[in-house]
Amino acid sequence: AQSVTQLDSQVPVFEEAPVELRCNYSSSVSVYLFWYVQYPNQGLQLLLKYLSGSTLVKGINGFEAEFNKSQTSFHLRKPSVHISDTAEYFCAVSDNNNDMRFGAGTRLTVKP
Amino acid sequence: GAGVSQSPRYKVTKRGQDVALRCDPISGHVSLYWYRQALGQGPEFLTYFNYEAQQDKSGLPNDRFSAERPEGSISTLTIQRTEQRDSAMYRCASSLAVTQEQYFGPGTRLTVT
Repeated sequence: AQSVTQLDSQVPVFEEAPVELRCNYSSSVSVYLFWYVQYPNQGLQLLLKYLSGSTLVKGINGFEAEFNKSQTSFHLRKPSVHISDTAEYFCAVSDNNNDMRFGAGTRLTVKP
Repeated sequence: GAGVSQSPRYKVTKRGQDVALRCDPISGHVSLYWYRQALGQGPEFLTYFNYEAQQDKSGLPNDRFSAERPEGSISTLTIQRTEQRDSAMYRCASSLAVTQEQYFGPGTRLTVT
């Protein structure tokens, strides 16, 4: 069975600074990897996904993530964050069985 | 063209009562998923359907929880004899199974008093 570990429960950063949110997964089969964002009082929204092909995946709002099979990681990055990026970010993994397992989430707080 | 909808958005019930939570997926989406999300946690998988067939219910906590999708569209998650520990946000998602991208609804916040 697959599982996800998000190593940081909270990440505070200043506006315009770069950020990396870490995600490691475990799975015995090929995986699909996802990052979702949850803004306050809103539902989950897909930021980006890795299904196959290029290991560097670009998503919405300037985010990108890199799939590293040898390190079983899928870290999320943004070179310059905005106040509006303050939200909860969830990494998720799915194998070919069509269900998804989420990490516990990382709360990103962007300060002025 | 609307997204996934869920009703009610908020439900307060007394311990011991049964509740039914509804999910209306995006039209044409084959797969439908139920998750439970506790405060400060990520969504926890409960069960999913392809069309009307329940494919995996391994995440349902106990036999008080059940789900159905009789016509392969709308789904209902039922919790019988609710307990305070059932209080959480219940989220539904749907997907075109091939892409596995799941679109989430706004959730139903259940509070058991």
